[in-house]
Amino acid sequence: EIVMTQSPATLSVSPGERATLSCRASQSVSSNLAWYQQKPGQAPRLLIYGASTRATGIPARFSGSGSGTEFTLTISSLQSEDFAVYYCQQYNNWPEAFGPGTKVDIK
Amino acid sequence: EVQLLESGGGLVQPGGSLRLSCAASGFTFSSYAMSWVRQAPGKGLEWVSAISGSGGSTYYADSVKGRFTISRDNSKNTLYLQMNSLRAEDTAVYYCAKRMVQGVIITCVDYWGQGTLVTVSS
Repeated sequence: EIVMTQSPATLSVSPGERATLSCRASQSVSSNLAWYQQKPGQAPRLLIYGASTRATGIPARFSGSGSGTEFTLTISSLQSEDFAVYYCQQYNNWPEAFGPGTKVDIK
Repeated sequence: EVQLLESGGGLVQPGGSLRLSCAASGFTFSSYAMSWVRQAPGKGLEWVSAISGSGGSTYYADSVKGRFTISRDNSKNTLYLQMNSLRAEDTAVYYCAKRMVQGVIITCVDYWGQGTLVTVSS
């Protein structure tokens, strides 16, 4: 079973600054990695799939990179609406696994 | 527009049963695998179960295997989760989720319902 870890657990960033979130898999998941954003009281929203492809309607300030076991989500210039929890998810094989999440809050 | 509307959540005693439903619209339901994902209060996301478009293949998390059953009625565009022998640790918001790639079970989720809360408590 693949275990996903994310770092840091919390990231404090000022609006307009860059945020870099990390996700690591306990074994290779190739590029079968997605990122989701979740705001309080809302369902998750797909941001990135295939490690680096933005989902429909996702702004260009969100970018994903990596393959194998190491992945990164970068938000180039944080907007007020970007403060949320971000989860990575591997879908290389079952059981699919989510990471524990990174909370991005206002510095 | 894709819409997923869950129902059936509520308060149930330990050992009890509950059936969740998810009414889907805005896409060809039978062509896509579907999943249930849950989130305990204040916690992260956890896969519960997945089912192929035809309903012929199913997957379960170890934590629910033998207690939960996923099914679908493609004539009604509805996904179900039958939950038996419920435990306090099953307390969570349960999300219905559409798989992104047509015909593929193990893929990411592109649409989520708003969730239904299941509380297991005496």
